[in-house]
Amino acid sequence: AQSVAQPEDQVNVAEGNPLTVKCTYSVSGNPYLFWYVQYPNRGLQFLLKYITGDNLVKGSYGFEAEFNKSQTSFHLKKPSALVSDSALYFCAVRSYNTNAGKSTFGDGTTLTVKP
Amino acid sequence: DAMVIQNPRYQVTQFGKPVTLSCSQTLNHNVMYWYQQKSSQAPKLLFHYYDKDFNNEADTPDNFQSRRPNTSFCFLDIRSPGLGDAAMYLCATSRDPGAQETQYFGPGTRLLVL
Repeated sequence: AQSVAQPEDQVNVAEGNPLTVKCTYSVSGNPYLFWYVQYPNRGLQFLLKYITGDNLVKGSYGFEAEFNKSQTSFHLKKPSALVSDSALYFCAVRSYNTNAGKSTFGDGTTLTVKP
Repeated sequence: DAMVIQNPRYQVTQFGKPVTLSCSQTLNHNVMYWYQQKSSQAPKLLFHYYDKDFNNEADTPDNFQSRRPNTSFCFLDIRSPGLGDAAMYLCATSRDPGAQETQYFGPGTRLLVL
């Protein structure tokens, strides 16, 4: 079985400050990890993914995430937050053993960036 | 721009009245998925098509059906909607079913059951 934990329901940061949204996972085999963002009344929008290779993954809108195998984490980061980054963020995991289409999503973290 | 389109964006139906949600894609992807998302919770996979092969999740109620008449279109049919089926329904696609493939989501259809 695979699982994802996003330990914080809510993250609040001031505009211009760095932000981190946390994600830890559990999976048998090598993980494939994804971050998505969801704005109100919209679908999920792909930000970045880790498949293999460099542990630091760069994605859309200045976001990046670091894969840490020993800590089974894949935290999302951005050096300088924007008010427009305020949204709901989902981490998701799959593995080579995953049945086709079966992503396991975390429960989401609401990011609020205040001016 | 290649994209995933869902119509309508908002759908109101009556308790027990069949409703169909539609999804189309211009990405020419082989796989199409339907997710249910309630109250900003994690999306829950209902089923997916790999080409014409239908794959139902074990815990998807029989009330939910799907059709994929061609590569571009996929439909979600709710035969007898209950109040508990009110949710956002998300369609997604991926090029292939492999675990490393990115899923691309449509904007969703919000279903209200009266």
